[in-house]
Amino acid sequence: QKEVEQDPGPLSVPEGAIVSLNCTYSNSAFQYFMWYRQYSRKGPELLMYTYSSGNKEDGRFTAQVDKSSKYISLFIRDSQPSDSATYLCAMSKIQGAQKLVFGQGTRLTINP
Amino acid sequence: DGGITQSPKYLFRKEGQNVTLSCEQNLNHDAMYWYRQDPGQGLRLIYYSQIVNDFQKGDIAEGYSVSREKKESFPLTVTSAQKNPTAFYLCASSIVQNSNQPQHFGDGTRLSIL
Repeated sequence: QKEVEQDPGPLSVPEGAIVSLNCTYSNSAFQYFMWYRQYSRKGPELLMYTYSSGNKEDGRFTAQVDKSSKYISLFIRDSQPSDSATYLCAMSKIQGAQKLVFGQGTRLTINP
Repeated sequence: DGGITQSPKYLFRKEGQNVTLSCEQNLNHDAMYWYRQDPGQGLRLIYYSQIVNDFQKGDIAEGYSVSREKKESFPLTVTSAQKNPTAFYLCASSIVQNSNQPQHFGDGTRLSIL
């Protein structure tokens, strides 16, 4: 079993829809949770970074962490075609030189 | 502009050849990392370094080597011992001291076999 599971999709939704992306994990030692967006042939770009449980909002993006269920989510409101990309969840256990563990990534397409 | 520069963008390797991928950062970050990305498998850690002249193996270090002679630079050599080198290679960096800061990535090098 992988430490971090993420549905690879692809996921296709109409413009303006609310998108929900999710990851589950098995190791309760994970404390730091990240969402990255990756456009084709580019490096991942950090979208959201959270510590422990709760919600964090940044513009149209909301990251949610539920440590009791070992489940994290990224919500995108009023989705735009420019949001079409692969979304990667990542998490780490320790401070210092963090060893990130990534999900497979979910490929998202927003249709105009 | 501060950032991470990876070069070349595309690289081709012949059988039995070693190739070196460049990664330079001007963010004054302490730690640097190399990941490999294959379709459907996410990113896997090859090597990482917290400080100059020191580095540690990640999860898939076999067939790879690194050096960290300068804070700004962390080149990755894909040796002939790596039998399946075709992949997208990503370099990242982060601050280490005081808190767990997220990693920031370059735009990758795509390596293919001739």
